[in-house]
Amino acid sequence: NAGVTQTPKFRILKIGQSMTLQCTQDMNHNYMYWYRQDPGMGLKLIYYSVGAGITDKGEVPNGYNVSRSTTEDFPLRLELAAPSQTSVYFCASSGEVNTQYFGPGTRLTVL
Amino acid sequence: RKEVEQDPGPFNVPEGATVAFNCTYSNSASQSFFWYRQDCRKEPKLLMSVYSSGNEDGRFTAQLNRASQYISLLIRDSKLSDSATYLCVVTPYGQNFVFGPGTRLSVLP
Repeated sequence: NAGVTQTPKFRILKIGQSMTLQCTQDMNHNYMYWYRQDPGMGLKLIYYSVGAGITDKGEVPNGYNVSRSTTEDFPLRLELAAPSQTSVYFCASSGEVNTQYFGPGTRLTVL
Repeated sequence: RKEVEQDPGPFNVPEGATVAFNCTYSNSASQSFFWYRQDCRKEPKLLMSVYSSGNEDGRFTAQLNRASQYISLLIRDSKLSDSATYLCVVTPYGQNFVFGPGTRLSVLP
């Protein structure tokens, strides 16, 4: 089991560019999440999904979009990158036992 | 009031010391409670779940007080490898996890 994998590990974007952060889990978990973590701060929920085809907004969804076409994949899309989106992005998944497993994170810088 | 609040830290303690972290949560209907550990520039990892009866895992003891909406984590005989940020996590409803800002611990030789 690879658990939760994320790509890329690092990325530098220019203002206005777009990109997709990839997240895949191989644990057959129904629930998947995207968080961002700014330096010295806690995790803030961007979007989450309770199953394939179902997504919902978290605390800080503006500037992001998600889709969940399969159980395994939950990509996060940034359409028009802004410096305020410089952060570390973590994807996580959980099954019925209520424990979250995190990917290694994507470090994004927008210049 | 924030949903989950923690001691701001940082806590700097010598090896072998006992240290306790506190966490409070605002939603009295919260269902599940956890402590996660996050090493510098790494992803959070589950340290332990917190049960109403309290639970212990080796040198770590977690307590829950539902009446006071308070969770604690006690670490005995601190090791250098315990240096990390400790995150209090609460599920106010369903499978939504709310993370506290974390308390940083440095164990000094």
